Amino acid sequence: EAGVAQSPRYKIIEKRQSVAFWCNPISGHATLYWYQQILGQGPKLLIQFQNNGVVDDSQLPKDRFSAERLKGVDSTLKIQPAKLEDSAVYLCASNDKWRAAQAGAFFGQGTRLTVV
Amino acid sequence: QKEVEQDPGPLSVPEGAIVSLNCTYSNSAFQYFMWYRQYSRKGPELLMYTYSSGNKEDGRFTAQVDKSSKYISLFIRDSQPSDSATYLCAMRTNTGGFKTIFGAGTRLFVKA
Repeated sequence: EAGVAQSPRYKIIEKRQSVAFWCNPISGHATLYWYQQILGQGPKLLIQFQNNGVVDDSQLPKDRFSAERLKGVDSTLKIQPAKLEDSAVYLCASNDKWRAAQAGAFFGQGTRLTVV
Repeated sequence: QKEVEQDPGPLSVPEGAIVSLNCTYSNSAFQYFMWYRQYSRKGPELLMYTYSSGNKEDGRFTAQVDKSSKYISLFIRDSQPSDSATYLCAMRTNTGGFKTIFGAGTRLFVKA
């Protein structure tokens, strides 16, 4: 079974620039999450999708972050404009409907963003 | 006060030692308790999960939940250098959108 795919693996941008991250979840997984993991901290949920609908985006800084999941499969997370404090690893995770009701998710390797 | 507290370590132990990793939490509504392992520059990988209180064993790993004390533990027996990683506890309630709250993670080093 192929895992959660993310790209790019690394990105360095200047502050005020824009950046986009892409995620392809495990085939058949309806639930998709984007997490932000700042160095030395645990992952923090930014947004959760169920198919192509948003379940929770309460911690997404909507003035600069946006995310979409067209057709309920791939997802894109965008930051515009980036700030220095956005430097972090952005993790995508997915789960099927049954596991989401139990516990746990499958994570991708993440995109490490450095804003300079 | 954070909802989930976890000592960041680092924790350094010799090979073969028993490792104890712990988290405390404040939200009594948490029902699912998880432990993830995260190797450097990789995404977290689910190790074990437990529903409500009690113990769960899987090979060298044992997870314990004490809801009365709001305290969870992960024990690793016969620790190996390959166990060197960051261990994240995570937990969530049984309602809503299953939002999961993670601890900050404990860095573990197992010396050969």
